[in-house]
This record gives sequence, structure tokens and C-alpha cells, in this order.
Amino acid sequence: GAVVSQHPSWVICKSGTSVKIECRSLDFQATTMFWYRQFPKQSLMLMATSNEGSKATYEQGVEKDKFLINHASLTLSTLTVTSAHPEDSSFYICSARDPPDTHPLNTEAFFGQGTRLTVV
Amino acid sequence: KNQVEQSPQSLIILEGKNCTLQCNYTVSPFSNLRWYKQDTGRGPVSLTIMTFSENTKSNGRYTATLDADTKQSSLHITASQLSDSASYICVVSPNDYKLSFGAGTTVTVRA
Repeated sequence: GAVVSQHPSWVICKSGTSVKIECRSLDFQATTMFWYRQFPKQSLMLMATSNEGSKATYEQGVEKDKFLINHASLTLSTLTVTSAHPEDSSFYICSARDPPDTHPLNTEAFFGQGTRLTVV
Repeated sequence: KNQVEQSPQSLIILEGKNCTLQCNYTVSPFSNLRWYKQDTGRGPVSLTIMTFSENTKSNGRYTATLDADTKQSSLHITASQLSDSASYICVVSPNDYKLSFGAGTTVTVRA
């Protein structure tokens, strides 16, 4: 089945530095990818929708200058956490939808393995 | 208020026993309902996906049911195994690409 690969699986960085997280669709092309943030024992919260070749769409309350998203190709989206602070420590997950055929809204959504970010 | 409510928040069962997880949703319009399994520190993995016209769907020892009239779904785990210990997330999709996530039910299977 389709696979979404996310890298790195964990990262520790110092306050003030930037961290880039990659999300790749390995065997299908994804025009749209999604970035989520998850706090312990809570739901996944959608941060932004990444659109290939255009600007990402951010959810209300998510700072676009803080969380930079680039979707330069049909198989790669990146999330860069800029000037990271301890409150940015969280579990970040990406997902991609298999290209639609006859039922686009019922297509499978594949999730990456997640990235545990710890800012010290 | 979350549009997808799951219960219980957590449960502990003995290996070999069955359990049922509940999901109530208010998301409208409705396209489909999905159940995912999320191991600790990992991304969610799909178990089932059902459209409004489907009442039940199975995936091995996992059986999901859907009542679109009452907006309720359940996930039944049969003959639980230690590897079933995980968080189970109910996800409802309206008529767009965004997904509404429940907070999940944490299942712990003990030997």
C-alpha cells in the first residue's frame, strides 16, 4: 500500500534554532499534504494544508511565519519550525491522500511516522 | 466543542478478551468515518473506512459499525492481543479534504 515517510522521527534542538521536517509520499503523487500537531493524550490538530506549487493554507491561530511549509514537488512537503522555543515541543505528523479516482473524498489518508520535536 | 467524541477515554483488558470502543459525531455534512490505530510515538495507521451507506466493515479482528442516523460508530476488537495496546482514533470526514479527529481511546491489553 501507499506509504508516507516522515523524517526525522525525533529531533532535539536549542531554543532559537530552526528545524526542518520532511514528509515524502513514496509511491504516489500527492498534490495535497497535511501537517498536524499532537499534544499528549490529545487529538491531532490540523496546522496547515500544503498545496504543491502554491502557498500553504494555515488554520486559524497557526503562525505562517513560524511554521514554514514548502511543497515544491508532488512527493515532498517540508515543515520548518523557525526560531523554535520550548513551547513548540510537540509531536508533528504529516499525511497525504492517495490520488482520487471515482470517490475523491473517500480516498485513503496515509500518515507519516511522526516527528517528536524537543526544544531545550 | 469537539465534533467527534470518543469513549471511554481509556480501558484495560486482559489478553484474549473482547472490547468495544464508541464514537459519536456531530460533523455535518458527512462523507465517511475512519478508525485509526496509533501506537505510542508513531503516526496513525488506518483500520477501516466507511461511507454513510455502509453499516459494518471488518479488518481482521477489528470490526467497525456505523449508524449514520444516530451518528454513532463503534470499533470492536476480538480476542485482544498484547500488540493491540494503542490509541484508537475515530476520524470523521465532511465533504472536503479536512478530517475531524476524536481524542482517541487508549487501550491497554494485559497478559
